Amino acid sequence: EVQLVESGGGLVQPGGSLRLSCAASGFTVSSKFMSWVRQAPGKGLEWVSVIYSGDNTYYADSVKGRFTISRDNSKNTLYLQMNRLRAEDTAVYYCARDNDSSGFPQHWGQGTLVTVSS
Amino acid sequence: QSALTQPASVSGSPGQSITISCTGTSSDIGAYNYVSWYQQHPGKAPKLIMYDVSKRPSGVSTHFSGSKSGNTASLTISGLQAEDEAEYYCASYTTSSTFVFGGGTDLTVL
Repeated sequence: EVQLVESGGGLVQPGGSLRLSCAASGFTVSSKFMSWVRQAPGKGLEWVSVIYSGDNTYYADSVKGRFTISRDNSKNTLYLQMNRLRAEDTAVYYCARDNDSSGFPQHWGQGTLVTVSS
Repeated sequence: QSALTQPASVSGSPGQSITISCTGTSSDIGAYNYVSWYQQHPGKAPKLIMYDVSKRPSGVSTHFSGSKSGNTASLTISGLQAEDEAEYYCASYTTSSTFVFGGGTDLTVL
């Protein structure tokens, strides 16, 4: 069974940094497209970043240059390093794995809340 | 990377059919047959209900169907049920190898 468990969220001041983790089980993160998607309180879904099985990475314009997606195959874990955080980065961050037949996220974690506030 | 455009809300009575539209550009929806739809109930993670325009993941009800014409994709729910009341999001792969979501549509079952 595919399971994704995010951690690392919390309260951080504007300009600060945070690293989110997503521990995976039931599959190997290195062989799948893994994404981060966020949802601000009361708002819609926003795609943040993806790492493809070939290790290519892509980012939404809103986080490019500030966020870095990576994975540790030995720990079967996905990460999102978030630097220079802004108030508008406040959201629930979901880790997601692709559908076996396409790149769209199908398997989602429970999400972890990041609050950027002074 | 502008969000795809969806109506803010739609409504229908049980048993009726409704269609939610999702409009993008030639750089996303119009470029590939890579459009998906998600259903999200309050406080829950999104659920993939359609991918590659019209394919349903295993276990998803057949009363959901998808289509695309040009830069606009559509999700049709036939035989509306109370449990279909949720927020629906479209998403598309883009020519920049990224993904983009729509703003979401709140479906109310009257």
